[in-house]
Formats: sequence, structure tokens, C-alpha cells
Amino acid sequence: EAGVAQSPRYKIIEKRQSVAFWCNPISGHATLYWYQQILGQGPKLLIQFQNNGVVDDSQLPKDRFSAERLKGVDSTLKIQPAKLEDSAVYLCASSFATGGLYEQYFGPGTRLTVT
Amino acid sequence: AQSVSQHNHHVILSEAASLELGCNYSYGGTVNLFWYVQYPGQHLQLLLKYFSGDPLVKGIKGFEAEFIKSKFSFNLRKPSVQWSDTAEYFCAVSSNDYKLSFGAGTTVTVRA
Repeated sequence: EAGVAQSPRYKIIEKRQSVAFWCNPISGHATLYWYQQILGQGPKLLIQFQNNGVVDDSQLPKDRFSAERLKGVDSTLKIQPAKLEDSAVYLCASSFATGGLYEQYFGPGTRLTVT
Repeated sequence: AQSVSQHNHHVILSEAASLELGCNYSYGGTVNLFWYVQYPGQHLQLLLKYFSGDPLVKGIKGFEAEFIKSKFSFNLRKPSVQWSDTAEYFCAVSSNDYKLSFGAGTTVTVRA
């Protein structure tokens, strides 16, 4: 089966600019996650969707980050305006459903550099 | 929220050597435990997981991990590594909310 797709793979922007990332989960997966992985750290969950509803966005910096999953399939994550500390790899993952028994499948990530 | 600590940042060893990566977590309740691996240029993928039952868990590619509840640990082991085991390894923990908390990762370099 096709895996989780993400685009773009790399993005370089200047601080205060905006940027958007796209994710297409595995077909049939109801749950979608966005993680932020800063260099030298493990992934940190930003937001979790169940179908098109938000399950958890407690660690999403809502003053500058937003995410949506309008039709319960694809998702976009936006940063506006970007700061230097937003430089990281942004990972999208999906699972069949929510719950520890369901494996999360990760995409290749988008590497963001903010200059 | 739980925290996850991985003991080693970078491990270098020769082929056929044994590998053990340490992982400790802080949460005192029921936990689900995972090891993920990221090979160079590839996606993060699940290596093995523990939910309940036998505390010795076997995963793919000859890896195993042991859950020791009294020590809040979930160490990963492989008796004889290969060059292809060169990768970054992440320990992760979830509790009742099923949110994954990852450790900082350990880079393993296997020299041929």
C-alpha cells in the first residue's frame, strides 16, 4: 500500500514569512498526526485529527500555527509568521484509528529552515 | 505528561557486537512502550511495541526489548549487529491518552 505522502520535502524561508505543508495519509486511516522534530530531539506531537475533527492540539502554538483536515483525508499545516525556532522537520503520521493498538505510519517529513 | 530519557546520544560499534540501548520513562501508570527506527534516508518506522503480557518483546530484524516495570525501563537489545543496523533509534511511550512521547533518540553507527 502507498505510504504517507508529504510535500514539499524541503523549504527555506525567511523569518516572518508564511509556509504551508501538505500531508496525504494512508487510504482509510482515520487518525492523522502532525509532529515537530527539532534537530537533536525526538518528534513532538503538535496536533491530532480524528477524521476532520481535532482530538488534541494542546502543544500547537496557536498564535502562529494552524492546521486543518477539511474532508477527513488530506491535511495542511501552516505557520504564519515563521520564527527562527520553527526550523525543524515536520512529520505527518496516520493510523487506522486512535488508540495505542493502532500503529502510526510516518511520512518522510518536510525539513523547514527559517533564516 | 510522561517524559522519556534515552541514555546514549551516539553509539559506535563493530559488526557482530552486541547492542543495548537504554530507555527510561517517568510515568507511573499504565504505559504502552515502543521503539522506532529511522534508517538513513527513510521514514520513521516501528521496530517493536509492548502493551501487556510477556515483558520480553521481539521485533523485526532480530531486535528485542525488555520491559522492567520496577525500573521504568524498556531497553532495546540485539545480540549481533550488522552494518545495515546503522540508524537512529527512538524510544516512545504512551499512556491512557495514547499520545506518543518520544525520547531524543540514539544514533547507532555500525562499522563493517
